[in-house]
Amino acid sequence: ETGVTQSPTHLIKTRGQQVTLRCSSQSGHNTVSWYQQALGQGPQFIFQYYREEENGRGNFPPRFSGLQFPNYSSELNVNALELDDSALYLCASSFGQGAGWEQYFGPGTRLTVT
Amino acid sequence: AQSVTQPDIHITVSEGASLELRCNYSYGATPYLFWYVQSPGQGLQLLLKYFSGDTLVQGIKGFEAEFKRSQSSFNLRKPSVHWSDAAEYFCAVGADTGTASKLTFGTGTRLQVTL
Repeated sequence: ETGVTQSPTHLIKTRGQQVTLRCSSQSGHNTVSWYQQALGQGPQFIFQYYREEENGRGNFPPRFSGLQFPNYSSELNVNALELDDSALYLCASSFGQGAGWEQYFGPGTRLTVT
Repeated sequence: AQSVTQPDIHITVSEGASLELRCNYSYGATPYLFWYVQSPGQGLQLLLKYFSGDTLVQGIKGFEAEFKRSQSSFNLRKPSVHWSDAAEYFCAVGADTGTASKLTFGTGTRLQVTL
């Protein structure tokens, strides 16, 4: 059974650019959540996708957007990058959308904005 | 809104010594509570979880945690720490928010193990 994978591992972008991060969910999982982890902080919820629809969002601006595909893999897009967007971006998948479902995390993508 | 507090930013223990990491949460209903561990450059691995029932839960790697509703706490313990336990530990509360579910994490406790 393949776990949650994310690509790329590291990424360096310039302020104002756009970036796309990718996540492949664990087999059988239909829900994907994205989290941002700034240095020295705990992860913060960005949004969640369930069966290709965004079904919840944290306190992040609209320039953070996403997609979920029919195979339940997902993308996180960030437009107009700011220096504060530098962080580890974590993807997590689960069997369902409720809080009782265990979320399995990928290794993350480290984004550096210069 | 839910919140999690981990009062200890950094803890150092000797290998073989016991460990307790503190976690306090704020949530209006019965919480879903989790402990995750993160090694450098890695994602998060679930150690254990509490949903209901027995307030003492057992996890992987010899960890356990006790849910105390009266104290709004969910402290993580291990009787004998191994050098490989050095990592960052996060406590989290899970909540259903409308149609979505999300985890709210504390700021983490970094564990250093001395030999």
